[in-house]
Amino acid sequence: ETGVTQTPRHLVMGMTNKKSLKCEQHLGHNAMYWYKQSAKKPLELMFVYNFKEQTENNSVPSRFSPECPNSSHLFLHLHTLQPEDSALYLCASSPSGPQSTDTQYFGPGTRLTVL
Amino acid sequence: DAKTTQPPSMDCAEGRAANLPCNHSTISGNEYVYWYRQIHSQGPQYIIHGLKNNETNEMASLIITEDRKSSTLILPHATLRDTAVYYCIVRYVQGAQKLVFGQGTRLTINP
Repeated sequence: ETGVTQTPRHLVMGMTNKKSLKCEQHLGHNAMYWYKQSAKKPLELMFVYNFKEQTENNSVPSRFSPECPNSSHLFLHLHTLQPEDSALYLCASSPSGPQSTDTQYFGPGTRLTVL
Repeated sequence: DAKTTQPPSMDCAEGRAANLPCNHSTISGNEYVYWYRQIHSQGPQYIIHGLKNNETNEMASLIITEDRKSSTLILPHATLRDTAVYYCIVRYVQGAQKLVFGQGTRLTINP
């Protein structure tokens, strides 16, 4: 149990659908992250939120829209996705305080398939 | 972030120590060495990290050379459940910073 949960664990959607991925952390952390892992590729950072403010957008297409209503919850809203967006989407959190070592803890991921 | 170099794959017999090397010759003085692993289709799992001293926890030991240009992750008694991709990452620890994952080492524990 890492303290980071993600729902749903699996999602199949059409290119015209709108869906959302949810991440919740129970660790009292201040920073949250979205990563994407495509088949046979390293993990790629998508977004970073620190104290609810977006601090990094790694040139992610606008069909991916993140939302961070508070430090414990992070969403990734999806619309008009392409088949190449099929991947494992991973959420992570870290303490992000000035005295912390800022180790990131990952959730189990959402396996997304776009038809 | 400094780059790291790891062998693409390694094998180890169950019950033996697994020693995973990592080269990070361009590491700077305020960069830490982190190790994560990822079991198939799961999220990465934090293992251990260190700056310059050797570190040990319930999962593994981390040996960092005196010049800090390389390190070794040691799993003292490998089990089949340790089969995973192991990532060595070097990064500054200052606020919320991204982890840059490479290809890692695919460790296979054989019965």
